[in-house]
Order: sequence, then structure tokens, then C-alpha cells
Amino acid sequence: GNSVTQMEGPVTLSEEAFLTINCTYTATGYPSLFWYVQYPGEGLQLLLKATKADDKGSNKGFEATYRKETTSFHLEKGSVQVSDSAVYFCALRENTGNQFYFGTGTSLTVIP
Amino acid sequence: DVKVTQSSRYLVKRTGEKVFLECVQDMDHENMFWYRQDPGLGLRLIYFSYDVKMKEKGDIPEGYSVSREKKERFSLILESASTNQTSMYLCASSLSGQNYEQYFGPGTRLTVT
Repeated sequence: GNSVTQMEGPVTLSEEAFLTINCTYTATGYPSLFWYVQYPGEGLQLLLKATKADDKGSNKGFEATYRKETTSFHLEKGSVQVSDSAVYFCALRENTGNQFYFGTGTSLTVIP
Repeated sequence: DVKVTQSSRYLVKRTGEKVFLECVQDMDHENMFWYRQDPGLGLRLIYFSYDVKMKEKGDIPEGYSVSREKKERFSLILESASTNQTSMYLCASSLSGQNYEQYFGPGTRLTVT
């Protein structure tokens, strides 16, 4: 079946620190992969995506590379800001249907 | 920009009441979804719809039903609300096709007392 596993939180970092949030997946085919961000009191919004192996998605200084060999899609940012404090969700969309599968989310707090 | 709107941001209902949560999208998306979000559990799919009048059960459909009479509107119905349905409810929509992402509404925080 399809599933997504992401690192447990919460994660607390100082401003300008390096961020990695790990995400691995299980899929029966070749899914598309996504990172979503949820700011307090809001719905989820797309942060970045990658639709095939070795693709790199990037946005707002965040990036993630679709690694088929390790079934991973880790989120990274070189220097986090207080405004990056949010919950981050890794997700996949199967290639044979319309369903999405989400990880449980990782809460990030960035302190000044 | 795609916009997904939900009828209420906050809702308080009593046990046993029938509750309607409405979701509307303005970008002609075929697929629409209802999730509930609870701390530590992430997003859990309740129902989704891939066309008008079509619906598929998700992971936790018990106690819920849905209606999709028009392409842009997807309603979630709690036939008889219970306290364990207190949660954040998120609606989403997407185009068909593997490469397309979901767009989410702002969520409805439902409290059942």
C-alpha cells in the first residue's frame, strides 16, 4: 500500500539554523511527492513538489529532492527564520488514482 | 488563484444535531476531499469525490456522509453529531492527474458539546 512517514516533532531551532525534516514513503508505483505547510489557524498550502525521480522541488528557500533509491523526500532549508514556524506535511499522490497520502506532520518552532 | 472556501471557520453544535459543512472551489476541479485533522494523527481522509454525484469512502467514513450535486460544491454531513467528532475539518480540491497538487480551504473548527 501507500504510506508516508516523517520525522516526529516538535522541532525547535534558532534563527539561521539549518533545517532538515525527514520524509520516507512507500508506494506501489511512481508517485508524485509534495511538501505542504500549515501556519497557525490556517489550512495547508503547497510548499513544493516533485513529480519524478531526481526532480528537485524548491520554494522560499526550501528544497527537497525525490530519491527513488532511498524512497525519500527530505525537506531542507539553509537558514530558517521565525516566520517559518509552522507544521510541515509530507505527502504523496499515487500514480493510479486520485488519493493523497499524508505524513502526520512535523511542528517547527524557530526562536530568535 | 485557486480558491477553496469553507462555510464556517468555527462552529459549535450540540450532541445529536445534524451538522452541514460546506466547501466550494472556484477552479473547476474534478476531485474534492474532506479530511479531519487531530493532534498527533495528522490528516485522515473521510470521503472524496472524483465527479458530480460520485463519492468514495476514505479511512474514517463512519458517522459522516457527503453530497456533491454540483461540481464546485462538496458538503460533509454529520447525521447525529457526537463529542468524538470535535475536530478541525479541512476541505481540499484537485485536478485529476498524478502531477497535480491539492488546494485546501482554511478549515472549520467544529466543537460538539
